[in-house]
Amino acid sequence: QKEVEQDPGPLSVPEGAIVSLNCTYSNSAFQYFMWYRQYSRKGPELLMYTYSSGNKEDGRFTAQVDKSSKYISLFIRDSQPSDSATYLCAMSAGPQGGKLIFGQGTTLQVKP
Amino acid sequence: DTEVTQTPKHLVMGMTNKKSLKCEQHMGHRAMYWYKQKAKKPPELMFVYSYEKLSINESVPSRFSPECPNSSLLNLHLHALQPEDSALYLCASGTSYGYTFGSGTRLTVV
Repeated sequence: QKEVEQDPGPLSVPEGAIVSLNCTYSNSAFQYFMWYRQYSRKGPELLMYTYSSGNKEDGRFTAQVDKSSKYISLFIRDSQPSDSATYLCAMSAGPQGGKLIFGQGTTLQVKP
Repeated sequence: DTEVTQTPKHLVMGMTNKKSLKCEQHMGHRAMYWYKQKAKKPPELMFVYSYEKLSINESVPSRFSPECPNSSLLNLHLHALQPEDSALYLCASGTSYGYTFGSGTRLTVV
């Protein structure tokens, strides 16, 4: 079993839809949770960071962490064609110099 | 300056060549990372430098040799690579509060 599981998709939605992306994990030591967006042939770009359980909102993006269920989510409201990319969840047990473990990434296509 | 800069952006090298990838950050981060990413796969950790010392080596073959000359620079020296080493090589810096990745070097071994 992988430490972090993420459905690779692809996920295709119409413009304006609410997108829900999810990851599950098995390591209860994970405390730091991130979502990255990666466009083709580019490096990953940090979208959201959450420490421990809870919600965090930034514009159209909302990240949720449920440590009791070992489940994290990213919601994208009013999705745009420019949101078409691969979304990677990532998590770590320690604050610095430790391993960042990635999910497989979900490919999202938002159709105009 | 909130960027991680990687050079070169593209590199084609033969199996007998020696080349180096370079990474620079000026965000004051004391941890820097090398990742390897194959197509349609997530990044895989190769090395971690913490306070300019190698702290994690994920059993990477010795044909990859990392170096951290100072707190802002990270190099990856390449020698006698194989075609299967062709990939996007990503440098990152930061902490678990948010790593910043460079745009990567796309390496092709011929």
